[in-house]
Amino acid sequence: GAVVSQHPSWVICKSGTSVKIECRSLDFQATTMFWYRQFPKQSLMLMATSNEGSKATYEQGVEKDKFLINHASLTLSTLTVTSAHPEDSSFYICSPAPAGASYEQYFGPGTRLTVT
Amino acid sequence: DQQVKQNSPSLSVQEGRISILNCDYTNSMFDYFLWYKKYPAEGPTFLISISSIKDKNEDGRFTVFLNKSAKHLSLHIVPSQPGDSAVYFCAASSGANSKLTFGKGITLSVRP
Repeated sequence: GAVVSQHPSWVICKSGTSVKIECRSLDFQATTMFWYRQFPKQSLMLMATSNEGSKATYEQGVEKDKFLINHASLTLSTLTVTSAHPEDSSFYICSPAPAGASYEQYFGPGTRLTVT
Repeated sequence: DQQVKQNSPSLSVQEGRISILNCDYTNSMFDYFLWYKKYPAEGPTFLISISSIKDKNEDGRFTVFLNKSAKHLSLHIVPSQPGDSAVYFCAASSGANSKLTFGKGITLSVRP
């Protein structure tokens, strides 16, 4: 199956600082990357979709200047939470979509962000 | 407006019995449905899926049934095992490489 890694697995940062989360597809190329987040006891909510080499498309209510997404290669995407606030504390999960038409999607192990 | 609904937050079953997890959806554009298993602080793990052109898909202990007219699907796990205890998410998509819309999840507990 598809192998996806995320780094770091957890991070604690202070308010006002920025945090970068990396997502790698280890055994396949991903032309599309989905970034989700999950607040405690809630569902996974899509934040943004990015295609390799293009600007990301953000879901309604997600600030593009706050959550910077870079999808520079077919195996690596990064999500940077800028000027983090305690309300950004959440579980962030990436989902690279394999090149070519595919319905099945696989997820990274997630990154737990805690902003103090 | 929730397009994918998992109305029961939890389910508890005895080991060896059948677990039936339900999911309803409202968007008729959805044409592919997936079930994921998730543990706390981990990413979702793909379990089984079904295309809208089918009404049943089976993989080992897991079977997913789709009733398009009722916009309802269910995941059957039989026999249930304690290791099945986790949160199960129903998800739907409306095309290849499309985003997934998730339900809120249901916590399954399988009692030994």
